[in-house]
Amino acid sequence: EAGVAQSPRYKIIEKRQSVAFWCNPISGHATLYWYQQILGQGPKLLIQFQNNGVVDDSQLPKDRFSAERLKGVDSTLKIQPAKLEDSAVYLCASSILPGQGHFPHYEQYFGPGTRLTVT
Amino acid sequence: TQLLEQSPQFLSIQEGENLTVYCNSSSVFSSLQWYRQEPGEGPVLLVTVVTGGEVKKLKRLTFQFGDARKDSSLHITAAQPGDTGLYLCAGARSEGAQKLVFGQGTRLTINP
Repeated sequence: EAGVAQSPRYKIIEKRQSVAFWCNPISGHATLYWYQQILGQGPKLLIQFQNNGVVDDSQLPKDRFSAERLKGVDSTLKIQPAKLEDSAVYLCASSILPGQGHFPHYEQYFGPGTRLTVT
Repeated sequence: TQLLEQSPQFLSIQEGENLTVYCNSSSVFSSLQWYRQEPGEGPVLLVTVVTGGEVKKLKRLTFQFGDARKDSSLHITAAQPGDTGLYLCAGARSEGAQKLVFGQGTRLTINP
């Protein structure tokens, strides 16, 4: 089974530029998450999709960050314009929907992440 | 506000020693997961604990969920260099909840 794919793996941009990250979840996983992991911290959820709908985007800085999952499979996270404090690893994860499995606590499968450096 | 506090944040020990990592909160969680993250990779799930007082073993790793489901610990026996990594605990606030709250992690280094 292929894992969660992310690209690019690394990106260096100047502040005020824009950047986009792509994620392809595990086949059949209806739920997709984007996390931001700043150096020395644990992952922080930015946005959660269920199929192509947003479930939770309460911690997404909507003035500069946007995300979409138009066909309920791949997803794109965009930052425009980037700030220095956006330097972090952006992780994508996927999981099955509640009800698809009998175990009530759902494992999230993570991709390798995209390391963003804003200079 | 950090809902899950992990301690210590950094730990460097010699191969063969034992260690314990803690994950504490003032909040109750319906389940708690432990992940290990290696450099350049995403976190990988090690275990999920669900019941208060539950103990799970994974080879040399022992995980315990507190009776009140507010804290957890990870104990490693006879640590090996391959155990080096960032250990993250993550909690789900309600049964069936998909949203996880992560601790800040414990960076573990095992020296040969």
